Amino acid sequence: DTEVTQTPKHLVMGMTNKKSLKCEQHMGHRAMYWYKQKAKKPPELMFVYSYEKLSINESVPSRFSPECPNSSLLNLHLHALQPEDSALYLCASSPGQDWVEAFFGQGTRLTVV
Amino acid sequence: AQKVTQAQTEISVVEKEDVTLDCVYETRDTTYYLFWYKQPPSGELVFLIRRNSFDEQNEISGRYSWNFQKSTSSFNFTITASQVVDSAVYFCALTPAGRGSQGNLIFGKGTKLSVKP
Repeated sequence: DTEVTQTPKHLVMGMTNKKSLKCEQHMGHRAMYWYKQKAKKPPELMFVYSYEKLSINESVPSRFSPECPNSSLLNLHLHALQPEDSALYLCASSPGQDWVEAFFGQGTRLTVV
Repeated sequence: AQKVTQAQTEISVVEKEDVTLDCVYETRDTTYYLFWYKQPPSGELVFLIRRNSFDEQNEISGRYSWNFQKSTSSFNFTITASQVVDSAVYFCALTPAGRGSQGNLIFGKGTKLSVKP
């Protein structure tokens, strides 16, 4: 199984809502990542978890809150988002933090209204 | 500073044509990895290849081939006999290897390839 599964695939939320994005992998990978991709732009790194500890936060606003409950699961909690946060949110995993190989999920297309 | 440049924003070809996607990178690291990813309209980033900076051998996988030249800091990608299913955005990416890695994959801006029947 070389899949990274993200749910939901699409999400529309209001600016006062609280929602969560979920990412799951069962490849035994110990590094997991959240990327944000705006339309017609490359993905931009948001967070890196290594061995279930947050190792990189790329100065992401606090309205985005990551969580890694166990080695297979990565969540991104969303609260009080702005319309400009609408984007494709991609999760990825790799065996370690050195990108020997990495797999991306299909992403969650988020629209903030 | 690390940077990946994909100068071709969009390329359009007719099916069965060969097409080369260019990638030029900048890095001060002596050890690094280079990648190509394909992103179809569905959104998933599909891993195509990873190349270690010490391995300059060209690689061929079916209709895909890659030309890595450290002297010109380039890692170009050629699709031979293109097909409509090759239509996607292709990203070249770079990351330092080993202890220098911060887990950050630095992407180029991508090249949108359209293959028309």
